Parts: sequence; structure tokens; C-alpha cells
Amino acid sequence: GENVEQHPSTLSVQEGDSAVIKCTYSDSASNYFPWYKQELGKGPQLIIDIRSNVGEKKDQRIAVTLNKTAKHFSLHITETQPEDSAVYFCAASSATSYDKVIFGPGTSLSVIP
Amino acid sequence: EAQVTQNPRYLITVTGKKLTVTCSQNMNHEYMSWYRQDPGLGLRQIYYSMNVEVTDKGDVPEGYKVSRKEKRNFPLILESPSPNQTSLYFCASRPASSGYGYTFGSGTRLTVV
Repeated sequence: GENVEQHPSTLSVQEGDSAVIKCTYSDSASNYFPWYKQELGKGPQLIIDIRSNVGEKKDQRIAVTLNKTAKHFSLHITETQPEDSAVYFCAASSATSYDKVIFGPGTSLSVIP
Repeated sequence: EAQVTQNPRYLITVTGKKLTVTCSQNMNHEYMSWYRQDPGLGLRQIYYSMNVEVTDKGDVPEGYKVSRKEKRNFPLILESPSPNQTSLYFCASRPASSGYGYTFGSGTRLTVV
């Protein structure tokens, strides 16, 4: 069945360094790729998304890239800060599958001050 | 404030005792969905609804029921809870247009003993 793989499962970086999280999806019909941040005790929060007709999108310190041929997409966080520490989930969904959203297993990011 | 509200936040119950987790959104979103989050398994979709009186199964619907009688409400019903339904549950909503991410509630931590 469809699945989304996500790596690494845990990531520790020094404050100010960059962090990269990579995801791979299996369903070639996927055309929307959101990223969520989940802080302790809270629900996931959408932080950035990308559609299949775009290769890269940036929002301040956060960027997402998409390679549809390779079925890869990645989250890049630059100049990391302690408040970036959280669990990050990638997801993939297809417009042909109504509301079928497949989430990756998550990456726990720790930013060390 | 635009939000998804779940109640209760925490619930401990006994096997077989019917329970309902309520979910309400104030954003006039058409789509609503229930997810469960378990360690190592990420977020898995239980049920989703595309509008009033329109619901469908997600990946793990066994043991759950839902209803969508009003646009803003989407309760999750466990008619005979079992210990394997101990989990963290999230309700989420989004607009009907494709390419929009979900707004999640704060979660309900359910323990079935």
C-alpha cells in the first residue's frame, strides 16, 4: 500500500546550524505535501506545504524541496533555534483519493543551545 | 480564534464502557478527520468526513464509529472500548479545496483498562 518514509527518526543540531529532514513517498498520484510540527502536549501544526507543480518553497527560515521524479521531498530549517525543537511530520496526499493523507513516522528534532 | 476543540483532553475508562470524544471546529471547514497517534506508528487516519452526512473509513476504522449531523461537529464513538484503543486521538479539519493542510485539535489521551 501507499506509505511515506521519513529520515532521520531523531536529529540533534547545535543552535544556529541547519537541519534537514527527508521523506520518500510511494504513491505516484500524490500531489500535495504538507509538513507539520508537533510540540510536546499539542496537536500537529501545519508549518509549510508544497504542491506537485512547484519544486521549492521558502518561508523565512523554513524551505521545502520536491523531486517528483525521485518521489522525494525535504524540509530544511536554517539558523535553528531552541524553539524549533519538536517532532516534525511529513505527509503526502492525492487529489484522486479524496482525503487520504499518509503521514511519515516523524522526526524528533532537538536544538542544543 | 479559529480552532478545533476536542473534549475531553484526558479520559480513563474500562473495557466495554461506551464513550464519545467530541470535536468541534469554528472555521466552516467541509472536511473533518480523526487520527490516532501511537509511538512508532505515527498518525493513522480512523475516519474522515467530506461534509454533513458524508463519512468514510480511513486506515484503522475497526472499533470506531463517527457521525456528521452538523458541519461543525464530528464526534468519535467507541461503543465497546478495548485496551488496544488506548492512544492519543486527534481531530482535524480543513477546507474542501485540494491542497490545504489540516488544522488539528489539541488531542485526547485515552486509556482503556
